[in-house]
Amino acid sequence: EAQVTQNPRYLITVTGKKLTVTCSQNMNHEYMSWYRQDPGLGLRQIYYSMNVEVTDKGDVPEGYKVSRKEKRNFPLILESPSPNQTSLYFCASSQTGGYGYTFGSGTRLTVV
Amino acid sequence: SQQGEEDPQALSIQEGENATMNCSYKTSINNLQWYRQNSGRGLVHLILIRSNEREKHSGRLRVTLDTSKKSSSLLITASRAADTASYFCARPSNFGNEKLTFGTGTRLTIIP
Repeated sequence: EAQVTQNPRYLITVTGKKLTVTCSQNMNHEYMSWYRQDPGLGLRQIYYSMNVEVTDKGDVPEGYKVSRKEKRNFPLILESPSPNQTSLYFCASSQTGGYGYTFGSGTRLTVV
Repeated sequence: SQQGEEDPQALSIQEGENATMNCSYKTSINNLQWYRQNSGRGLVHLILIRSNEREKHSGRLRVTLDTSKKSSSLLITASRAADTASYFCARPSNFGNEKLTFGTGTRLTIIP
């Protein structure tokens, strides 16, 4: 089944403890992206990647890192999480321009 | 704001009626996409309309695009309880398809 898989689905962590949210797609898509969704603010793009080793900042990149060493994987790294990063995170992937994005099921992160 | 404007923010209709949601944007686009999100779940791509298209259909969905007015609409005909969800428009905010910007969404409730 074609899908984007994120892990974990739920995560509660403490301020400052580094964490990684994994994302993997099995559709050989070139584009991958991370979004966060907050009430009243909608979805905001954190980082995106056009291909292996090619990444760029989205609208809210502060406090996040990404890497794209393999085409299928695009992990999101929070080096020192803070409470304002408590959010619902989505990974998504797409074929090249002109196609819709396939989204993962989301990761609900709480930083205390 | 880089986000689109969706109208209305919330809509409640009786099952069987038609639902119309609107999306406006500010910059030129090469395509516009519509997504559905069931509560807390990942977004599902519904339909993509290119800038040289004026109307597109998919099952009970009809999307129109007016590039002169920088607006799009999503019509769901003969609504069902299962259509209850949030609906988002999204458009590439650069020339490619990788930097996708979402509107704040319309919350649709179908009353059985």
